[in-house]
Amino acid sequence: AQKVTQAQTEISVVEKEDVTLDCVYETRDTTYYLFWYKQPPSGELVFLIRRNSFDEQNEISGRYSWNFQKSTSSFNFTITASQVVDSAVYFCALRMTTDSWGKLQFGAGTQVVVTP
Amino acid sequence: GAGVSQTPSNKVTEKGKYVELRCDPISGHTALYWYRQSLGQGPEFLIYFQGTGAADDSGLPNDRFFAVRPEGSVSTLKIQRTERGDSAVYLCASSSDGGSYNEQFFGPGTRLTVL
Repeated sequence: AQKVTQAQTEISVVEKEDVTLDCVYETRDTTYYLFWYKQPPSGELVFLIRRNSFDEQNEISGRYSWNFQKSTSSFNFTITASQVVDSAVYFCALRMTTDSWGKLQFGAGTQVVVTP
Repeated sequence: GAGVSQTPSNKVTEKGKYVELRCDPISGHTALYWYRQSLGQGPEFLIYFQGTGAADDSGLPNDRFFAVRPEGSVSTLKIQRTERGDSAVYLCASSSDGGSYNEQFFGPGTRLTVL
C-alpha cells in the first residue's frame, strides 16, 4: 500500500520567517514521483514542485526549496522569507510509475498561516 | 490560455436526488482525472480518463457514481441517489497525457452539499 503522511496540521509564522513542511511517504515501488501543491483559500490546487525518485539532488527555486531523502522516505518543503500570500494549505503527493495512469495520492495537508 | 473549469461552483441538493458535475479540461489535454476532497483532507482519486475511455475507475466509492467523457474533452461526473456523505468538493484535473511525470492542472472544484 502507498501512503503519504503530513504530520503537521497547522503552522503559524510571522512574515519573513522560514517555514518547513514535512512529508513522509510509503511505497514499495522503486521509481515514483513526488509533488507539492498549494491550495489557497480560493480552493484551486496549484502545482509547486516535482521530484522523481532517482534524483535526490535538492534544489532551490526562488523562495521554495526541498529536501528529498530516499533513505528516510521524506520529501520536505521549505518556504524562505514567508509572505502573507503564502498562507494556504500545502499538500504533498505521490505518484507511482507502475501506475500507468498517473493518479496522485495526497497527504492530509498542512495549513500555513503567515501573519504580518 | 484557459485553465480547467468546473460547473457549477456550488451545488446544494437533497438526499436521494441525482446530480451532474461538469469539467472542461485544458484544450488538447488527453488525460482527465476526478478527485474528491472532504473537509480537512487531501483530494482522493475517483476516476481517470485517457481520451474517451475510463482507464481507471478504481476510486469510485460505489455504483451510484459514474462518469463519462463522450468526445474526449468535457467530462461529467454523475451521482445517483445522493447521500449526505457525498458532500465534498469534487475536483477535476487534466494533463497533456497520462504519463507519471506530467503535471496535473486542477480546476476550482464543485462544492456539493447534500442536505
